[in-house]
Amino acid sequence: NAGVTQTPKFRVLKTGQSMTLLCAQDMNHEYMYWYRQDPGMGLRLIHYSVGEGTTAKGEVPDGYNVSRLKKQNFLLGLESAAPSQTSVYFCASSYGSRGRNQPQHFGDGTRLSIL
Amino acid sequence: KNEVEQSPQNLTAQEGEFITINCSYSVGISALHWLQQHPGGGIVSLFMLSSGKKKHGRLIATINIQEKHSSLHITASHPRDSAVYICAVGIQGAQKLVFGQGTRLTINP
Repeated sequence: NAGVTQTPKFRVLKTGQSMTLLCAQDMNHEYMYWYRQDPGMGLRLIHYSVGEGTTAKGEVPDGYNVSRLKKQNFLLGLESAAPSQTSVYFCASSYGSRGRNQPQHFGDGTRLSIL
Repeated sequence: KNEVEQSPQNLTAQEGEFITINCSYSVGISALHWLQQHPGGGIVSLFMLSSGKKKHGRLIATINIQEKHSSLHITASHPRDSAVYICAVGIQGAQKLVFGQGTRLTINP
């Protein structure tokens, strides 16, 4: 099993460009998450999804959009990239169990630089 | 004040030493997670606990719900234990996690 796969692993963008980060999981998990990790700060939740066709905002949603058209995929979009969005992005997934916590499985991360 | 505080932020020790990393939180939680992030960047879940103590190999995690405090211990530390250890808490009634800033552990041979 591949687990959680993020594409691409690295990307450099110019300010104002758009792009989509793809997260795919093969564990049949209900819940999926997008985080960003910045130096000196803990992981921060951008958006999450509790099932196919659903999305919700996390702590830092501004400037990002997401879609969960298929259960196994969770896409993170940057419509107009800004230097403040330079970060390492992690996708994670977990089983859903009526709000009880479950361990999250993480992808390897996408390192994104906005010039 | 952050909802999840870890200490120390950085820890350097010699191979074989007993390691303790602490995590304090200020919110109601349903579970506490310990994760490991290696220099390559990947994040792995080590433990999820809501009471008592869990052990896996040389790693032990404990939690005191009343004191809102958890510790991660590593016995007989080894250079391959060098990583960032992250504490995260699951907010009651939600699937979201709130993360600490991490503790960077370096074990010298």
